[in-house]
Amino acid sequence: DAKTTQPTSMDCAEGRAANLPCNHSTISGNEYVYWYRQIHSQGPQYIIHGLKNNETNEMASLIITEDRKSSTLILPHATLRDTAVYYCIVRVDSYGQNFVFGPGTRLSVLP
Amino acid sequence: GAVVSQHPSWVICKSGTSVKIECRSLDFQATTMFWYRQFPKQSLMLMATSNEGSKATYEQGVEKDKFLINHASLTLSTLTVTSAHPEDSSFYICSARGGDYGYEQYFGPGTRLTVT
Repeated sequence: DAKTTQPTSMDCAEGRAANLPCNHSTISGNEYVYWYRQIHSQGPQYIIHGLKNNETNEMASLIITEDRKSSTLILPHATLRDTAVYYCIVRVDSYGQNFVFGPGTRLSVLP
Repeated sequence: GAVVSQHPSWVICKSGTSVKIECRSLDFQATTMFWYRQFPKQSLMLMATSNEGSKATYEQGVEKDKFLINHASLTLSTLTVTSAHPEDSSFYICSARGGDYGYEQYFGPGTRLTVT
C-alpha cells in the first residue's frame, strides 16, 4: 500500500470546521483513499472513502486533489465528540488487501 | 454498515495463563477476519489474517504458537493468547469482511487485555 503522511496533531474550536490533510504522493491509480477515526479505547470507525471525486456523507466530506496526491477530510461542524485519532489510508479494493494504519492525526476539539 | 462485536471488552489474567477473545460478525458472513494489536499511544498493527476454514496467515514477527487464531465459522473468529505475559498486555481489535459488504472492513470495539 502507498504511504500516507499526516500531521501528528491538530486543534479545532468546537463548532468550527476541522480540515485534516493527508499526503499520498505515491498513490496508484487503483488505490482508494479511506478515512477512519479511533476514539480513545474504541475500535476504528469508518468515516468516508473515495477514488477520484469528492465525496460527502452524513459525517464528513472528502476532498481529493485532481492529481490525487493529497486529500482533505472535512468535519463541517466539529463537536467535542469528534476528538479522536484520524487515520488516512490508501488501499486497493481487492480481497488480498487489508488496512495498514499509520500514526494518524490526533484531533483535539476544544470548547 | 455491518456490526462486529468482541467479547470480552476487557480481561485481566495472571501471567502464564491463556485467554480467549471472540470476534463475531453479527449481520453478515465474514469470509475474512483480521486481528490487530495496539499498544498505548501507538497505531494498530496487523497480527494475522484468517479466512473461514483455513489456517491464519501471520505477519512477520507474530508467534503463531502463542497467538492461536481459529476461524471455524463465517461469523466467529477467536484469538487465544497462550501462556500470557505482561508484555502481551495490549488492546486487541478484530475486523471482518465479507458478505454483501465486499471489500469493506468493519472493526470491532476492541478487547483490552491486562496480564498481571
